Amino acid sequence: QVQLVQSGAEVKKPGSSVKVSCKASGDSFTSYAFTWVRQAPGQGLEWMGGIIPIFNTTSNAQKFQGRLTITADESTSTAYMELSRLTSEDTAVYYCASGGLRNWFDPWGQGTLVTVSS
Amino acid sequence: IQLTQSPSFLSASVGDTVTITCRASQGINNYLAWYQQKPGKAPNLLIYAASNLQRGVPSRFSGSGSGTEFTLTISSLQPEDFATYYCQQLNNYPITFGQGTRLETK
Repeated sequence: QVQLVQSGAEVKKPGSSVKVSCKASGDSFTSYAFTWVRQAPGQGLEWMGGIIPIFNTTSNAQKFQGRLTITADESTSTAYMELSRLTSEDTAVYYCASGGLRNWFDPWGQGTLVTVSS
Repeated sequence: IQLTQSPSFLSASVGDTVTITCRASQGINNYLAWYQQKPGKAPNLLIYAASNLQRGVPSRFSGSGSGTEFTLTISSLQPEDFATYYCQQLNNYPITFGQGTRLETK
């Protein structure tokens, strides 16, 4: 089964962008879809979007249209989530997971805390 | 698709049996999962396709339901079961989660 390891915590200024990585190991990268979920402090889980690397297709939640870019690099078995025009409301733990539409989220990465503060 | 979990908070003791309900605003073809999340940790898949136990998950966890109403039952609660539980639908975009049920020790 695939294992997922995410990049470390980030502190960003409002208006800037953040790019979080999710490196897969243990199985063929292109056998999986990858998805991103975030969790604001003390709040629930929010699906952001996902990618199917073998088809290079993405689907994003409407809420993040125009701000969210999800990519995948097959050569390094890494998926990326880039969120632009950050505000304090984007302060959250960002998780990657293997899964997508009609494909259960398992396993998950360890999470990456992104703090947006001036 | 909106998912409404009830209750939002649940107080119980070790050995109790508890049930959490998840109602979907429309049919989701049983593309319903349950996750457990402990503080500071990523969610962990417990149940998929409404009633299938994920490998490695103790058999005291069970899921049932169809259509728009689903339940997660935890029998004979163990100390490690006190956590927050989320349902999730994966039938339609956007993929959505319930608001969570926090299970606390009485």
